[in-house]
Amino acid sequence: EDQVTQSPEALRLQEGESSSLNCSYTVSGLRGLFWYRQDPGKGPEFLFTLYSAGEEKEKERLKATLTKKESFLHITAPKPEDSATYLCAVQGSADSWGKLQFGAGTQVVVTP
Amino acid sequence: ETGVTQTPRHLVMGMTNKKSLKCEQHLGHNAMYWYKQSAKKPLELMFVYSLEERVENNSVPSRFSPECPNSSHLFLHLHTLQPEDSALYLCASSQERSGDGELFFGEGSRLTVL
Repeated sequence: EDQVTQSPEALRLQEGESSSLNCSYTVSGLRGLFWYRQDPGKGPEFLFTLYSAGEEKEKERLKATLTKKESFLHITAPKPEDSATYLCAVQGSADSWGKLQFGAGTQVVVTP
Repeated sequence: ETGVTQTPRHLVMGMTNKKSLKCEQHLGHNAMYWYKQSAKKPLELMFVYSLEERVENNSVPSRFSPECPNSSHLFLHLHTLQPEDSALYLCASSQERSGDGELFFGEGSRLTVL
């Protein structure tokens, strides 16, 4: 069974203070690893898909990386608008499309 | 309207009521999903519809009944719910076998069962 563990549960950063979120996973044949951002009272918003170890993707202040056992979401020089819960999810090769195993998320608060 | 739209955004119901959640996607996708999000817990997949056929029922109690009349609309019919069913119910859509495999979520329906 696919499993996803995210750490830390919560992270409080000063504006400009870079940090990383961790997503550890076990899956039988990785089809894709996904990062989402979720604001309070809203649905998750897609950020990245990573398919194989060594792959990296960037979007503004966010950079996602992938190894065979974990993924990191690096937040460089964060701003208050980066405050959100960040969700990691995996899809195994045996899973149907859309069947994602999600982690519990990391709640990030960036203070001015 | 763009993206994935869910109504109602908030719903309060008693354990003996019958209500429905509605989801509409305007993205031309061919698959739709219901996920449940409870506080401090990971999103849980409930149902998957692909090309209007239910392809997944993730051991969901029968008090939840999905309906997918066409590729753009998805309903979740609720009856005789329990207080522990209180949660955020999220609808999502995707284009199967193409794209990055990402799901597009609606803003959710916050359900409170008294």
